[in-house]
Amino acid sequence: SAVISQKPSRDICQRGTSLTIQCQVDSQVTMMFWYRQQPGQSLTLIATANQGSEATYESGFVIDKFPISRPNLTFSTLTVSNMSPEDSSIYLCSVTTVNTGELFFGEGSRLTVL
Amino acid sequence: QKEVEQDPGPLSVPEGAIVSLNCTYSNSAFQYFMWYRQYSRKGPELLMYTYSSGNKEDGRFTAQVDKSSKYISLFIRDSQPSDSATYLCAMSEVGFGNEKLTFGTGTRLTIIP
Repeated sequence: SAVISQKPSRDICQRGTSLTIQCQVDSQVTMMFWYRQQPGQSLTLIATANQGSEATYESGFVIDKFPISRPNLTFSTLTVSNMSPEDSSIYLCSVTTVNTGELFFGEGSRLTVL
Repeated sequence: QKEVEQDPGPLSVPEGAIVSLNCTYSNSAFQYFMWYRQYSRKGPELLMYTYSSGNKEDGRFTAQVDKSSKYISLFIRDSQPSDSATYLCAMSEVGFGNEKLTFGTGTRLTIIP
């Protein structure tokens, strides 16, 4: 299994500001992803975090709004930029491990934008 | 039409009852089917997975896939209050742990003691 630590676990932010969420994994992983979970909606993939290169974004998500870094195999950050109330959501880091291929999720970062 | 449809509930049943959770899908190329359980304020955790059609049993949990009907189910026998959570189905054409998973919206389940 993999233990995923996400910070912050929750935050309340003002419109127009930016927030960076950190994800740290305790074991070797093959892939790292960032998801968004909005009330009543499906878990939606934002992007795949690539080590040492630009993230791969899904349709509807852009780097200017959700810049992602992955400086090494076990750490990644997601920034939610120029926030609006529509960005209020839970953001989840997830990984697949080397040995099982299973997808593991962090506990999520609950973001409220006023 | 969404690619994966899941009744959001909420669903409340008494302790000991059999619970049936279901998802339908439209993409006939899906081959991998998963059920995740998500407790309040926690991330989803993989509960069961199956490949192609058929049944898979793990303790009190049974996952069932009917590809001809594009319908999957999760049955929980002898339900316990600790089973209270949101259950999400997920599907993929290419595997269990990758960026190509498509999730349902989740069904919130409460087991009443």
